[in-house]
Amino acid sequence: GQNIDQPTEMTATEGAIVQINCTYQTSGFNGLFWYQQHAGEAPTFLSYNVLDGLEEKGRFSSFLSRSKGYSYLLLKELQMKDSASYLCAVRDLREYGGATNKLIFGTGTLLAVQP
Amino acid sequence: DAGVTQSPTHLIKTRGQHVTLRCSPISGHKSVSWYQQVLGQGPQFIFQYYEKEERGRGNFPDRFSARQFPNYSSELNVNALLLGDSALYLCASSLGGAGAETQYFGPGTRLLVL
Repeated sequence: GQNIDQPTEMTATEGAIVQINCTYQTSGFNGLFWYQQHAGEAPTFLSYNVLDGLEEKGRFSSFLSRSKGYSYLLLKELQMKDSASYLCAVRDLREYGGATNKLIFGTGTLLAVQP
Repeated sequence: DAGVTQSPTHLIKTRGQHVTLRCSPISGHKSVSWYQQVLGQGPQFIFQYYEKEERGRGNFPDRFSARQFPNYSSELNVNALLLGDSALYLCASSLGGAGAETQYFGPGTRLLVL
């Protein structure tokens, strides 16, 4: 089956670095996405990995290891506005022979940034 | 450029009623996907449409249906509403129907069933 695991909650301090981990199990993996979601709002796209390695975008970086079924999102120089839920999502090519752009989401990691 | 738009933003219905939610994708995007997000959970895939054809369906009952129009906008319909249908309904658009394309989400419709 398909399974995505990420911690439920994390707390970090303003200015610090935090790493949010995500592990997944799927047979037809074709990309991993990270989204940020503030309370009551829609998810906002942060990053996408399909090959192994690190993708960097400003204060945000995302890493993928396909052999380990593992990804992490790294947030540097934390700001109060980074307090949000971070969603890990995997695209599974098994659906509809690859014709579907279905994302399978984890339950999200609620990050609280403290002063 | 406008992002994904959804209407209405909030909706209150009673059990047994029917609801129609609407979505307009980003200009130039031809694919629309619908997700249901229950409080405290990640979004769950309901449908994907591309060029007016259904490309995928999640594990939802037949009470849920959708369609896409020639202008690529979409409607999600839910019949015989249950209390458990209370959720944030998200629409996401992407350029095409396949490929590892990024999906961009709209603000959602928050449905409350009483």
